[in-house]
Amino acid sequence: SQTIHQWPATLVQPVGSPLSLECTVEGTSNPNLYWYRQAAGRGLQLLFYSVGIGQISSEVPQNLSASRPQDRQFILSSKKLLLSDSGFYLCAWGDGGYYGYTFGSGTRLTVV
Amino acid sequence: RKEVEQDPGPFNVPEGATVAFNCTYSNSASQSFFWYRQDCRKEPKLLMSVYSSGNEDGRFTAQLNRASQYISLLIRDSKLSDSATYLCVVNRGNYGQNFVFGPGTRLSVLP
Repeated sequence: SQTIHQWPATLVQPVGSPLSLECTVEGTSNPNLYWYRQAAGRGLQLLFYSVGIGQISSEVPQNLSASRPQDRQFILSSKKLLLSDSGFYLCAWGDGGYYGYTFGSGTRLTVV
Repeated sequence: RKEVEQDPGPFNVPEGATVAFNCTYSNSASQSFFWYRQDCRKEPKLLMSVYSSGNEDGRFTAQLNRASQYISLLIRDSKLSDSATYLCVVNRGNYGQNFVFGPGTRLSVLP
């Protein structure tokens, strides 16, 4: 069966520090991968999606970037964090849309 | 107008009650529909897909009205464990990057 791993679970980082969040999927090949952010009390916002190695599409302009160095690995990065980057970051994988997404357990990021 | 809108909530209901959530979407080309459940400070989890003919899974019934661009979720015999935020999700097209999440409706089932 397919599983998705995301780490770390929580992170407290100072403003201006770099960020790297990693997500890996097991049990499937060539998944569509997604990064979402959920600010406190807000809905899910799609940040990036990838349909294959090295293919990244950005949904909103921001301080973040994403990379997909391997088929089942998706990384979210920032060179310098802002206070507004705080939130709950969720990685998800999907097979193309008919069966819904499966989310990782998320990373709760607090920028101080 | 947001592309996917849901009842603002919160809904506070006693155990055993029946509760219904409504969701409307604006893109008539939307192809597939889902209900997700999100517990506090946890990731969303797929509750059920919504099919054109309507579908039921135990105490949960989902309905789709394409003409009115409306989706509903009915929960019968509410349990304390049903307390969560329910997210309506619409897929605009064949590919997953077209998923749009509603803002969610929070449900609290009270003893």
